[in-house]
Amino acid sequence: QKEVEQNSGPLSVPEGAIASLNCTYSDRGSQSFFWYRQYSGKSPELIMFIYSNGDKEDGRFTAQLNKASQYVSLLIRDSQPSDSATYLCAVTASYGKLTFGQGTILTVHP
Amino acid sequence: EAGVAQSPRYKIIEKRQSVAFWCNPISGHATLYWYQQILGQGPKLLIQFQNNGVVDDSQLPKDRFSAERLKGVDSTLKIQPAKLEDSAVYLCASSPMGGATDTQYFGPGTRLTVL
Repeated sequence: QKEVEQNSGPLSVPEGAIASLNCTYSDRGSQSFFWYRQYSGKSPELIMFIYSNGDKEDGRFTAQLNKASQYVSLLIRDSQPSDSATYLCAVTASYGKLTFGQGTILTVHP
Repeated sequence: EAGVAQSPRYKIIEKRQSVAFWCNPISGHATLYWYQQILGQGPKLLIQFQNNGVVDDSQLPKDRFSAERLKGVDSTLKIQPAKLEDSAVYLCASSPMGGATDTQYFGPGTRLTVL
């Protein structure tokens, strides 16, 4: 079992729709959860982080964490073509070691 | 605030040659990370430095890869000799303290092609 699993996609949604990206992790001791966006040929950039169970909203983005189910998700509301990218879920243990999933490719079509 | 700097941006070498990458983290960041990202995969941590000490190098292929962070600032990652499977983007990242809640900031990466 991979430490951090994501559906590799591609996930295709129409402009204006909600995109839902999911991630599961295997280490119950994981403390922090990050979503990074990576455009083709570019380096990852942080979108959001979440530490506690529940929802965290930032603009059009909402991160959801359920530690009992070892599940974290990212919702993108009012998706735009500029949101088309690979979304990386990353999980940290105690000393900051980030373990990434393989990424989900999102395509937002006009 | 200047971001993480890396050089070179691109490198093409033949297998069995050696190569070195350089990283300058964000000023004041104590923790520096080197990741390897193979096409279609997420980044994989190779080594993590806290100041000039190694925190984690469990996934560094030590028979061919080496890294150092002298004086706790700049870092170099070396591959000697390179293999075809080393073709990847090598990402450097830094964070203020290295704790579980720290945000890591990534540099632009070095794309290595081994022929």
